[in-house]
Amino acid sequence: LAKTTQPISMDSYEGQEVNITCSHNNIATNDYITWYQQFPSQGPRFIIQGYKTKVTNEVASLFIPADRKSSTLSLPRVSLSDTAVYYCLVGVLIYNQGGKLIFGQGTELSVKP
Amino acid sequence: NAGVTQTPKFRVLKTGQSMTLLCAQDMNHEYMYWYRQDPGMGLRLIHYSVGEGTTAKGEVPDGYNVSRLKKQNFLLGLESAAPSQTSVYFCASSYSSSGAYEQYFGPGTRLTVT
Repeated sequence: LAKTTQPISMDSYEGQEVNITCSHNNIATNDYITWYQQFPSQGPRFIIQGYKTKVTNEVASLFIPADRKSSTLSLPRVSLSDTAVYYCLVGVLIYNQGGKLIFGQGTELSVKP
Repeated sequence: NAGVTQTPKFRVLKTGQSMTLLCAQDMNHEYMYWYRQDPGMGLRLIHYSVGEGTTAKGEVPDGYNVSRLKKQNFLLGLESAAPSQTSVYFCASSYSSSGAYEQYFGPGTRLTVT
C-alpha cells in the first residue's frame, strides 16, 4: 500500500519562507498531490494541488520533481496565523476504476514572532 | 451557502450501541467521503460515494456502513460501536474525482465509545 511520509513538526519565525517536503515513493501514474491545512477543531482546508512540475497560487507553491516521488509545499513569508498542521494527500479515485487517497501523518508547523 | 455540515458535533456511545452520522452538502457535488482522524495517523478514508445511490470502500471500512440515498446527503452508520472506533470523523465532498479536485471538509464529529 502506498505510504506518504512527512516531518512530524517544524518551527519557523514570522516573515520566513517555510518548505515542507512529503515523500511518496510509490506514487502511481494517475495520482495527484494535494496539500491541506488544518486548524484545531476544524476540518482540513485545501491549499494547493499539482500533478507535476511547479504550481503556484496566491498562498503557496508546490514543487514536484520529475520522478514525482516527493513534493514540497512552500509557504512564503509565514505569519503567526499559519501555525497549523499541514497534510500531504496522494492519490485519485476514478469512477468504476477505484483508486486510493492516502494522507500523510501531518506536519505541525509552529510560527514564532 | 453552508458548504459541508455534519450532525452531531459530539457523541458518546457505549460499546455495542449503534448510531448514524449525517453529512450534508449544498454545493451539488458528486463525490462524498467519510474519513476518520486519530492522533498521529492523519486522515484515513472509510467509505466514499461517486454519486447518488453508489458507495465504495476506502482504506478502513470494517465496522462501518454508508448510504447515499440523496445526492446532498451521505450517512455513516456504526451498527455495534467498539472502543477502537473512538475518533474524530470528517465528511468531505468534491465536484468530481478526487484527488484531482479540491475536497471541502465539514467541521467533524467527535465520537467516544466507552
